[in-house]
Amino acid sequence: QAGLTQPPSVSKGLRQTATLTCTGNSNNVGNQGAAWLQQHQGHPPKLLSYRNNNRPSGISERLSASRSGNTASLTITGLQPEDEADYYCSAWDSSLSARVFGGGTKLTVL
Amino acid sequence: QVQLVQSGAEVKKPGASVKVSCKASGYTFTGYYMHWVRQAPGQGLEWMGWINPNSGGTNYAQKFQGRVTMTRDTSISTAYMELSRLRSDDTAVYYCARVMGWLRPGGDFDYWGQGTLVTVSS
Repeated sequence: QAGLTQPPSVSKGLRQTATLTCTGNSNNVGNQGAAWLQQHQGHPPKLLSYRNNNRPSGISERLSASRSGNTASLTITGLQPEDEADYYCSAWDSSLSARVFGGGTKLTVL
Repeated sequence: QVQLVQSGAEVKKPGASVKVSCKASGYTFTGYYMHWVRQAPGQGLEWMGWINPNSGGTNYAQKFQGRVTMTRDTSISTAYMELSRLRSDDTAVYYCARVMGWLRPGGDFDYWGQGTLVTVSS
């Protein structure tokens, strides 16, 4: 099943801003919005944002999500060492009746 | 608080089956769809399907149809995922994940189990 497209890696310096992107189509990101997940090595994914720009309680205000057409974005400001992780976007695909994921972006904080 | 606790690691031979459990607590089990997602070593997340804990209805990813069975036991608030005819490329960490929102099949996942490593090796 078709997935969402994410860049494999992004590198930014400490305290800089990183913007991660996720491209889908009108049946998934463009229609249903996207969720963002963070995964540290050896741990399960953690929900950072749902339906594009809603943050669960406890998630840092340094994170913000948005969507333009079929592309969703996650912006992390003031990068900290603990932000170094894999980030996945995810959406429900209404034509496939399936959940689709991006391949993940490895964020490195230099 | 919401918790999803999965069963322990398994080692299986090719051709065998594996059944992973996911025990829910801290919420009304029958009110929230449960999905299963797997992650092969060093790879991304792959959706397998969902179960409606209220009705027992299921929806499986096309890739796994015919090999996967998702069930639940409401008396003990536990969901199960059984994968049959295992191959070496089924080696992965298998996660259960709860959908946020009352009886919404396609919603986002707000809680995840800790994962169960299934190793398929002869």
